[in-house]
Amino acid sequence: DVVMTQSPLSLPVTLGQPASISCRSSQSLVHSDGNTYLSWFQQRPGQSPRRLIYKVSNRDSGVPDRFSGSGSGTDFTLKISRVEAEDVGVYYCMQGTHWPFTFGGGTKVEIK
Amino acid sequence: EVQLAESGGGLVQPGGSLRLSCAASGFTFSSAWMSWVRQAPGKGLEWVGRIKSKINGETTDYAAPVKGRFSISRDDSKNMLYLQMNSLKTEDTAVYYCSTGGLGNWGQGTLVTVSS
Repeated sequence: DVVMTQSPLSLPVTLGQPASISCRSSQSLVHSDGNTYLSWFQQRPGQSPRRLIYKVSNRDSGVPDRFSGSGSGTDFTLKISRVEAEDVGVYYCMQGTHWPFTFGGGTKVEIK
Repeated sequence: EVQLAESGGGLVQPGGSLRLSCAASGFTFSSAWMSWVRQAPGKGLEWVGRIKSKINGETTDYAAPVKGRFSISRDDSKNMLYLQMNSLKTEDTAVYYCSTGGLGNWGQGTLVTVSS
């Protein structure tokens, strides 16, 4: 199985400051169809997960533009340009290129 | 608006069975590939399995920990997704979510507790 490794595990941030989460895969996530199926999810406390980003850098409908995704191959990043209080929660990356699809272990974002 | 509503969770003894349901609305269910994802208490997310649309053969894929014990099915006439869970183990205790295709939409989840 493809192992997804996220860092850091915990990310204390100051309101209004940027934040960055790294996600690395144990093998390339480039699919035979040419797409890279790397997604990012946000899970606020007590809520279901919500997809923020799909295929590396595409924002889902309703997702604020302060969230952005980048990367290629095996190395990916989720950036929050200016953290707001509502961004508190756990963030997961997920690969949908190789079955079984696998998630990273999660990064907990909290306010300092 | 896409809506997914899971039901059927509860307490079951090890070795027992349980069937989860997911009622879908707000999109063309028959065309959608659907998935089940679970989350053990205080832990991360784990993909359980998926079912393709009828036009894609309604084929299913399962994660190794549940393969041979869990079965996903769908009833397109009712816009319903199912997860049949047999030979349950304590490690299957989790909140189970149904989700569309690439996990773009999620239900609220239903808790399954496997314990004696």
